[in-house]
Amino acid sequence: QKEVEQNSGPLSVPEGAIASLNCTYSDRGSQSFFWYRQYSGKSPELIMFIYSNGDKEDGRFTAQLNKASQYVSLLIRDSQPSDSATYLCAVWEGKLIFGQGTELSVKP
Amino acid sequence: DAMVIQNPRYQVTQFGKPVTLSCSQTLNHNVMYWYQQKSSQAPKLLFHYYDKDFNNEADTPDNFQSRRPNTSFCFLDIRSPGLGDAAMYLCATSRVTGVTGELFFGEGSRLTVL
Repeated sequence: QKEVEQNSGPLSVPEGAIASLNCTYSDRGSQSFFWYRQYSGKSPELIMFIYSNGDKEDGRFTAQLNKASQYVSLLIRDSQPSDSATYLCAVWEGKLIFGQGTELSVKP
Repeated sequence: DAMVIQNPRYQVTQFGKPVTLSCSQTLNHNVMYWYQQKSSQAPKLLFHYYDKDFNNEADTPDNFQSRRPNTSFCFLDIRSPGLGDAAMYLCATSRVTGVTGELFFGEGSRLTVL
């Protein structure tokens, strides 16, 4: 059973801090990894994807991939209250398999 | 501009009463997906279409059916909804080219079963 695991949280950080979201996956052959953001009652939207080991930065967001450890993370720098949402990690296995999401709360 | 449109946004039905949820897209994407998402759970893929080719997930109950009459539209039929089928149903599309795994979601249809 291919799985994507996330800590459901909630993760609470103060405004301006770095939020660190983590994800592990079971299929060692996985190649493509995604972070989707889902606001309460809304649909998921793609914020980052990463294919290669290492870091990928996009504005305040950094995705980190370690294939040897089967570990993907998302860092959000200078967290804002508007970042409060559930963050879904997903892995492409011929279809997109989602984790259950980590709820992030950024306190003003 | 709305690109993936789901109707209705909210649907209340009675136990066992059939329901149809619709999805339309203006993106001209080849692939359309139906996901079920229950509260605080991961979206779970029910099935997807690659053009007219239908792909059912092995664990999708027979109670769930789908139709794609043309590129733009896709329907989810729940033949006899049970209490356990109450969920958000998400339609999504993707391109064949571009970023594989980039899905474009509609706003979802929230189903309540009484």
